[in-house]
Amino acid sequence: NAGVTQTPKFRVLKTGQSMTLLCAQDMNHEYMYWYRQDPGMGLRLIHYSVGEGTTAKGEVPDGYNVSRLKKQNFLLGLESAAPSQTSVYFCASSYLSGGAYNEQFFGPGTRLTVL
Amino acid sequence: QQQVKQSPQSLIVQKGGISIINCAYENTAFDYFPWYQQFPGKGPALLIAIRPDVSEKKEGRFTISFNKSAKQFSLHIMDSQPGDSATYFCAARMNSGYSTLTFGKGTMLLVSP
Repeated sequence: NAGVTQTPKFRVLKTGQSMTLLCAQDMNHEYMYWYRQDPGMGLRLIHYSVGEGTTAKGEVPDGYNVSRLKKQNFLLGLESAAPSQTSVYFCASSYLSGGAYNEQFFGPGTRLTVL
Repeated sequence: QQQVKQSPQSLIVQKGGISIINCAYENTAFDYFPWYQQFPGKGPALLIAIRPDVSEKKEGRFTISFNKSAKQFSLHIMDSQPGDSATYFCAARMNSGYSTLTFGKGTMLLVSP
């Protein structure tokens, strides 16, 4: 049981390049999330998904796109990377809420630098 | 617009002391208040959580105190240990719509030996 995994762990991009971050979970969770973490800014939600084939915008969605073609995978895309997107990106997943505590399980993160 | 305000930004406590981190919120629609712990180079992990119908929840050395009328909640770490050195995030969840969490900005705790 690997939990939540993220690929890659590190990446350096040049301004204008594109890339896709992959998140995978093996806990059969309905909900999946992408956050970015910047010093002094906490965790900010980029996009999230409440089930296969669905996505929704979070607090800071601009410059990112996501897809959830399979329940266990959640992809985060940067079409044209900018230095402002230098950050540590975390994926998380959780069970459907329904009154439960809705614990989010986080992956180990991807450190992205855009030059 | 920051919906969950966390303080302090950083905290140094001696081993055996009490660490206290505070959070305040304004939206009364929040119905679940978790704390997450993050060690360097790792993803955050749920530490302890509380619902607003109780004023305190304790798990081992970790206690959440919740003041609904003041819209504040705090994390107390008793007998703090060097292994508690980490970044702590408070968060809050809305009780309607989809259950996304709004996080505070985090507190970096250092417990000195």
